[in-house]
Amino acid sequence: RKEVEQDPGPFNVPEGATVAFNCTYSNSASQSFFWYRQDCRKEPKLLMSVYSSGNEDGRFTAQLNRASQYISLLIRDSKLSDSATYLCVVNPGGYNKLIFGAGTRLAVHP
Amino acid sequence: GAVVSQHPSWVICKSGTSVKIECRSLDFQATTMFWYRQFPKQSLMLMATSNEGSKATYEQGVEKDKFLINHASLTLSTLTVTSAHPEDSSFYICSAVRDQLAKNIQYFGAGTRLSVL
Repeated sequence: RKEVEQDPGPFNVPEGATVAFNCTYSNSASQSFFWYRQDCRKEPKLLMSVYSSGNEDGRFTAQLNRASQYISLLIRDSKLSDSATYLCVVNPGGYNKLIFGAGTRLAVHP
Repeated sequence: GAVVSQHPSWVICKSGTSVKIECRSLDFQATTMFWYRQFPKQSLMLMATSNEGSKATYEQGVEKDKFLINHASLTLSTLTVTSAHPEDSSFYICSAVRDQLAKNIQYFGAGTRLSVL
């Protein structure tokens, strides 16, 4: 079983749609959680950290369910510029390591 | 603007040659940097943790003699792929922790696409 699992997609949605991604992680001792965005052939960029209480940044909402060991990302009012691969990232403990999911691809069309 | 600079962005080399990739932190000191490798449609895989002034810590399955890491200063880490072969062709990305208060947030270089012929 992979340490971090995501649905690879692609999710094809029209502009303005709401789309949600889920991610599960296997290590119950994991401490920190993030969503990164990666454009084609580019480096990952931090989108947002994920907190137990849930957090929102504009059109993006992230939630963490420790009991079920899953993380979600909700994107409202999708824009064309949201098209990218979204990486679920987990720190399993100790600040050295980040474990990346394989990513979920989002394609927003006009 | 970018906080981590990586060079070169793309390199093509012949099989058997060595390639050096540089990773620099801009305007901050990075005692720890990380090197990742990403194959097409796969996730980033941590190769090694680069520690300034000491030996790198390699992940299981990564050959330390093949992927030489040097972190001689607080702003520069280098990865040398020695005797490169076609199977080493991949996207190599470095990262650094910028804020010691947010140790788990890593900022990434733009990556190096290596093609070994």
